[in-house]
Amino acid sequence: SQQGEEDPQALSIQEGENATMNCSYKTSINNLQWYRQNSGRGLVHLILIRSNEREKHSGRLRVTLDTSKKSSSLLITASRAADTASYFCASMYSGGGADGLTFGKGTHLIIQP
Amino acid sequence: EPEVTQTPSHQVTQMGQEVILRCVPISNHLYFYWYRQILGQKVEFLVSFYNNEISEKSEIFDDQFSVERPDGSNFTLKIRSTKLEDSAMYFCASRVRGPQNIQYFGAGTRLSVL
Repeated sequence: SQQGEEDPQALSIQEGENATMNCSYKTSINNLQWYRQNSGRGLVHLILIRSNEREKHSGRLRVTLDTSKKSSSLLITASRAADTASYFCASMYSGGGADGLTFGKGTHLIIQP
Repeated sequence: EPEVTQTPSHQVTQMGQEVILRCVPISNHLYFYWYRQILGQKVEFLVSFYNNEISEKSEIFDDQFSVERPDGSNFTLKIRSTKLEDSAMYFCASRVRGPQNIQYFGAGTRLSVL
C-alpha cells in the first residue's frame, strides 16, 4: 500500500458512537499526525504522536501508533454531528532533511444525527 | 487566531495561461509549503520554502512551477503554462521552527483549467 493509506475510506455512524480510523505507512517516521478537513476547507491539525510514543490522548481523540506494523489509529469518542469531515494521517519521512508531509487518501466520516 | 489566508478562493484559467496563487502565511512562521489536492484524491506535497529558497520539492513540482516570497508577507505559487491536469485545490501551509512539523493550512485556491 502507499504511504499513509487510511481505512475505511468512508464511515457513517450515529451520533454518540465511537469512530475508529486506521492508517498505514511505509517508511520510517519521526512522527505521525492526524488532520481534519471539512468540506471545501483547509486541513486542520488534530494531534501528533511521536515515533517513540504508543498512545496519546487529546479531549475526545485517542491516537495509537504501532511502529512495528507501521500503522496508526484515530479514535473519536462520543461523536458529534460537527465531527463530520474527512480525516487524514500525515507522516514526515525521518531520513534526510525532507519536511513535506505525506498524506493518505483519508477517511470520510459522516455522523448521523 | 492567526490564520493562513489564500487568494483567490477560485481561479478559472485557459489552458496555456500563467496563474499566480497567493498566500499570506502566519506572520511569525518561517517555513512555507504548497500542496495540491486533485478532486477525490489525496493531498500531495509540492514544495517547501525556507530562508528564501526551496528546501524540498516533489516530482510534481517541475519547471512549470515556481515559488516566490516577494516581500515579508506574501508567498506565491506560479504555474507558467497551465495544463488541464493542473486543475486541483492548492493549499498553502506554514509553520514555526521546530522538529514537530505541525503545519497550518489555508482554505485553499480551487484552480480550474479549461
